[in-house]
Amino acid sequence: ETGVTQSPTHLIKTRGQQVTLRCSSQSGHNTVSWYQQALGQGPQFIFQYYREEENGRGNFPPRFSGLQFPNYSSELNVNALELDDSALYLCASSLRGAPGNTIYFGEGSWLTVV
Amino acid sequence: GIQVEQSPPDLILQEGANSTLRCNFSDSVNNLQWFHQNPWGQLINLFYIPSGTKQNGRLSATTVATERYSLLYISSSQTTDSGVYFCALISNFGNEKLTFGTGTRLTIIP
Repeated sequence: ETGVTQSPTHLIKTRGQQVTLRCSSQSGHNTVSWYQQALGQGPQFIFQYYREEENGRGNFPPRFSGLQFPNYSSELNVNALELDDSALYLCASSLRGAPGNTIYFGEGSWLTVV
Repeated sequence: GIQVEQSPPDLILQEGANSTLRCNFSDSVNNLQWFHQNPWGQLINLFYIPSGTKQNGRLSATTVATERYSLLYISSSQTTDSGVYFCALISNFGNEKLTFGTGTRLTIIP
């Protein structure tokens, strides 16, 4: 139990549709990061939010966007879904500046694009 | 960006055996963690270990930052240890993102 919750756990979308994934960070954590994990690979960094501002982005197109809310929860939005977007999407929370800054992950959202 | 390599890619062991997983990295780091990913996709923190040695039950880890590698030791393996093990790092010279290695898939046979 990491205290990081994600929803939905599984979903199926059609190519071209839009999807919103949600994440509640661990209590007291102010930083949320999103990762995409394709089958058989390690997670890849999408972007990070700190105090409601985007703070770093990986090599993902603009149709991947996000939000962080005042309670530090976050959303990941993906527009114009493509088949290659099928993956496990992981949310991670942390407390920036804390000594021994351990990063905790949620259970993920499995997205299938057909 | 920082490069992270893990070895071996796959490991199959009998229950009760010991194993050593290795993580090599190309840059100075200020955050290194080992994770176990279970079959359902959950990433479980095992160790936060940018340097030094830590132990937790049957698991221990050592990071030699000056030589840019980390080792994860699993002793007396159990079937529940099966899964994929990742090391992940935050470089001293990048933004605060975790860069994951390619993982080691461990299968423990009863």
